[in-house]
Formats: sequence, structure tokens, C-alpha cells
Amino acid sequence: DIQMTQSPSVLSASVGDRVTLSCKASQNINKNLDWYQQKLGEAPKLLIYFTNNLQTGIPSRFSGSGSGTDYTLTISSLQPEDVATYFCFQYNSGWTFGGGTKLELK
Amino acid sequence: QVTLKESGPGILQPSQTLSLTCTFSGFSLSTYGMGVGWIRQPSGKGLEWLANIWWDDDKYYNPSLKNRLTISKDTSNNQAFLKITNVDTADTATYYCARIVDGYNYGALVMDAWGQGASVTVSS
Repeated sequence: DIQMTQSPSVLSASVGDRVTLSCKASQNINKNLDWYQQKLGEAPKLLIYFTNNLQTGIPSRFSGSGSGTDYTLTISSLQPEDVATYFCFQYNSGWTFGGGTKLELK
Repeated sequence: QVTLKESGPGILQPSQTLSLTCTFSGFSLSTYGMGVGWIRQPSGKGLEWLANIWWDDDKYYNPSLKNRLTISKDTSNNQAFLKITNVDTADTATYYCARIVDGYNYGALVMDAWGQGASVTVSS
């Protein structure tokens, strides 16, 4: 089974900050990775698919990158509405979610 | 517009079988590349993928739970189902169903629409 490790587990940042969330796979997942955002009390929402493609309707301050085992979600300028937990998800071999990064405002 | 809604018993006792229904609209599970997945989330914890069913009736299960899971669908009524046998307190969670699209842009696989979740508590 492929394990997905997200870091940090909690991130505190200020409005306007550039924020980087990390997701590491236990083996090469060939960019078969999506990112989901989950706000408190809501269902997850698709943000980024296939590593670096922005889902329709998602603000352009969100971006994704990576290859092999290492992947990143970046928010170029943090906004208050971005407070949420972010999950990476691989579908290269089986399906696995990362443990999540909780993003808070400082 | 794609919508999904989960329904379940709310509360059940240990050793019972949990039966969940996902009722959806805006797409068909007979369309090539479409699927429905089940994902659960214990309160305050992360997401765990459970099972998928596809347009061609292919089914995939989380290996750690495979012996306890059964997924099925009723295409004509736009529903998907999940049964979990022999539940215990560790199965207490919010259960989500989601539309899966395989072969999305760039050949990606996405869960692009989710239900609001159904809360399930296992307690004696």
C-alpha cells in the first residue's frame, strides 16, 4: 500500500502570506495526485487534480506542483476564507488520502 | 448540476450491519468513466477511502476493510449502496459518497462532487 505523509500537520500563517503544504508518497505516484480542501463542518472540495491543474472555480492563488514522491500545494497570498484542512490523495496504486494539514490564521 | 446525498441509520449497535445509501442526480452511473465512491471521516480525524463502484460494475475495496464491505448500485434509480458488516465503535464516523470521474482532463481521476455526509454512531 502507498502511504501519504503530509506536513506540517498544523500550519499557522497570516493573511497575505505565501503558504506551502507538503505531501510525500511512500513510492512514485506518477503525478496521480489530487488536493482537496475541507472547511469546518463541510464536505471536502476538489482543488487541484493531476498534481497541478486547477479545478474550475478555484481561485488562481492556489497552485500545485511535484513529481515522483514529493508534491506541494501553494497558496500565493493567504486569505481568511482559506482556513481549512487540506488533504492530498493518490490514485496511482490503490487509493490513499494523506493525513491532512490544518491551516490556521496567525 | 451534480448532487449527492447520503442516508443511513444514524445509530446502530456493535456487530450489526451498516447499510448506507447514496442518492444522486445530474449524472448517470451507466455513463462511461463515471463512478461513486464512499469515504468516511471519524470526528476530528482524516479521510479514509472505503470503496468504489464504476459504470461497468467494477468494484474496488480498501484492502484493510475488504472482508466487511459490499458496494452495489441501482443505475435506474440513481443510487449507490454500501454495506459494512460486524460494525464496532471504530466505525463511528461521517460517511460521504462522491462522484468519481475517471479520464477527467489530462486523464486524471477526480472526486468532483460530494454529498453532505451521513453521521453514523456505533454504540451499545
